[in-house]
Amino acid sequence: SQTIHQWPATLVQPVGSPLSLECTVEGTSNPNLYWYRQAAGRGLQLLFYSVGIGQISSEVPQNLSASRPQDRQFILSSKKLLLSDSGFYLCAWSYNYNEQFFGPGTRLTVL
Amino acid sequence: GIQVEQSPPDLILQEGANSTLRCNFSDSVNNLQWFHQNPWGQLINLFYIPSGTKQNGRLSATTVATERYSLLYISSSQTTDSGVYFCAVGNDYKLSFGAGTTVTVRA
Repeated sequence: SQTIHQWPATLVQPVGSPLSLECTVEGTSNPNLYWYRQAAGRGLQLLFYSVGIGQISSEVPQNLSASRPQDRQFILSSKKLLLSDSGFYLCAWSYNYNEQFFGPGTRLTVL
Repeated sequence: GIQVEQSPPDLILQEGANSTLRCNFSDSVNNLQWFHQNPWGQLINLFYIPSGTKQNGRLSATTVATERYSLLYISSSQTTDSGVYFCAVGNDYKLSFGAGTTVTVRA
């Protein structure tokens, strides 16, 4: 069966510091991978998606970037965090464009 | 993008009651999912239902794609059903989420 991992689970970072969030998927190959952000009390917003190694599409222009260095690894990064980057970040995977499955998420607080 | 409206925004139920959550969307889609977000934030997949009817235990869902809506039914609600229920719709890679329905089930 497939499992998806995210770390860290929680993170508190100062404004202006860098960010690296990691997502890995087990039990499948060549998945589509996604990064979403959920602001407090809101629905999820798609940030990035990837259909293969090195292939990244951005949905929302912002202070963040994504990379996919390996087939089942997806990384969300920032060079300098803003207060507005605070939120709950979720990684998801799907086989082709079918049902998406989500990881446990990372709660990021920027102070 | 596709607009997704969920109703009601909040729902308070007595344990054992039945309820219906609704999701309206603004365009044709080939992907529709219902999720339950637990208190820890985990999104639990309930149904992948771009069309038709499915049932899983006390939960069932119906999507009428031609009329652009989906319904989630909760029967004999339990306190563990509390949380936020999200509808997400889309085409290909992109899912657009509704604002959610917050369900509180009281013992």
